[in-house]
Amino acid sequence: GESVGLHLPTLSVQEGDNSIINCAYSNSASDYFIWYKQESGKGPQFIIDIRSNMDKRQGQRVTVLLNKTVKHLSLQIAATQPGDSAVYFCAENTGSNYQLIWGAGTKLIIKP
Amino acid sequence: KAGVTQTPRYLIKTRGQQVTLSCSPISGHRSVSWYQQTPGQGLQFLFEYFSETQRNKGNFPGRFSGRQFSNSRSEMNVSTLELGDSALYLCASSRQGSEAFFGQGTRLTVV
Repeated sequence: GESVGLHLPTLSVQEGDNSIINCAYSNSASDYFIWYKQESGKGPQFIIDIRSNMDKRQGQRVTVLLNKTVKHLSLQIAATQPGDSAVYFCAENTGSNYQLIWGAGTKLIIKP
Repeated sequence: KAGVTQTPRYLIKTRGQQVTLSCSPISGHRSVSWYQQTPGQGLQFLFEYFSETQRNKGNFPGRFSGRQFSNSRSEMNVSTLELGDSALYLCASSRQGSEAFFGQGTRLTVV
């Protein structure tokens, strides 16, 4: 079936370094992808999205890269800060309905 | 503008009871989705409502149901609660085809 999965369940990064969180998806028909951040005790918060007609999109300190050839999505966080500690989820939408399909999540840990 | 509001924030119920959770979406958002999140797990999709109609449904038993009102507010109901239903229940609202905005969730504990 359709699925979105993450390569690493936990990622530890030194404060100030860049973080890269990866996500694989299996449905080649997916045309919209989103990254969410969920801090402890809170609901997921939208970070950045990208549509399938793009391969890169930048936000504030974050960049999402989409490689449709290998069905891979990544989130890059520049100069990681303690406040970036959270679980990061990727989600995809095929466009045929409005249901988001979610990955399992990657926990980002910032080392001082 | 106000975000997505879920009530109550915390709830403790006994096995066999039923529970109703409420979600008020962002003004103007007609799509409301519900998710279950258990510790260390991702988000499991329950169902999605749009203009008072259930448009999508996840793979959950019939004990889980929902509805949406004309003002887009939504409720979900779980009947005959089981211990395994203990989870964070998240509601998200969106405009059609755009990103979803989540509420803080309702933490349900079944004892």
